[in-house]
Amino acid sequence: GAVVSQHPSWVICKSGTSVKIECRSLDFQATTMFWYRQFPKQSLMLMATSNEGSKATYEQGVEKDKFLINHASLTLSTLTVTSAHPEDSSFYICSASYPGRAKSTEAFFGQGTRLTVV
Amino acid sequence: AQTVTQSQPEMSVQEAETVTLSCTYDTSESDYYLFWYKQPPSRQMILVIRQEAYKQQNATENRFSVNFQKAAKSFSLKISDSQLGDAAMYFCAYYGSNYKLTFGKGTLLTVNP
Repeated sequence: GAVVSQHPSWVICKSGTSVKIECRSLDFQATTMFWYRQFPKQSLMLMATSNEGSKATYEQGVEKDKFLINHASLTLSTLTVTSAHPEDSSFYICSASYPGRAKSTEAFFGQGTRLTVV
Repeated sequence: AQTVTQSQPEMSVQEAETVTLSCTYDTSESDYYLFWYKQPPSRQMILVIRQEAYKQQNATENRFSVNFQKAAKSFSLKISDSQLGDAAMYFCAYYGSNYKLTFGKGTLLTVNP
């Protein structure tokens, strides 16, 4: 199956700093990537949809200036949490869809990143 | 908008027994896909099983099978011969015309030895 790698697996940063999370599709070209946020014992909440070469589409209530998403290539999307605050601490997960299988796609997930802001 | 409801926050099963996890959804679409994902303590999302709405036959994957009732908008997951490694959070998910996954709140499955 297709592999999606997310890095780092965990990160601790100081309040007010920015942190970047990478999501790579290792063996396929992903035209679309998705970023989710997951609080403890809760479900995945979609934050934004990222399409290669175009601006990300953010879900309602997600601050696009705080959560910067870049999808510069078919194998890499990044999420940058700017001016992080403790309330941004969470588990962030990316997924990628396989091109050409729009309506039948299986989502391939990264292993997630645990962000702790201190 | 589509919604996915998992009414069982927690379930438990004895090893080697069978357990069924419930999922209902609401949609006005006729063409869509339904998924069950497993999230073990590692938090890696793992696809368990997939069902295309246009297929009447219920999907099966080894010990995992679904009961898909399209008219009732129900999509339950049956795990047979439960194993300790099945312990995880299970999410039901809907995929429709907006090309996004909508997840239920999840069911935490405990497998007792």
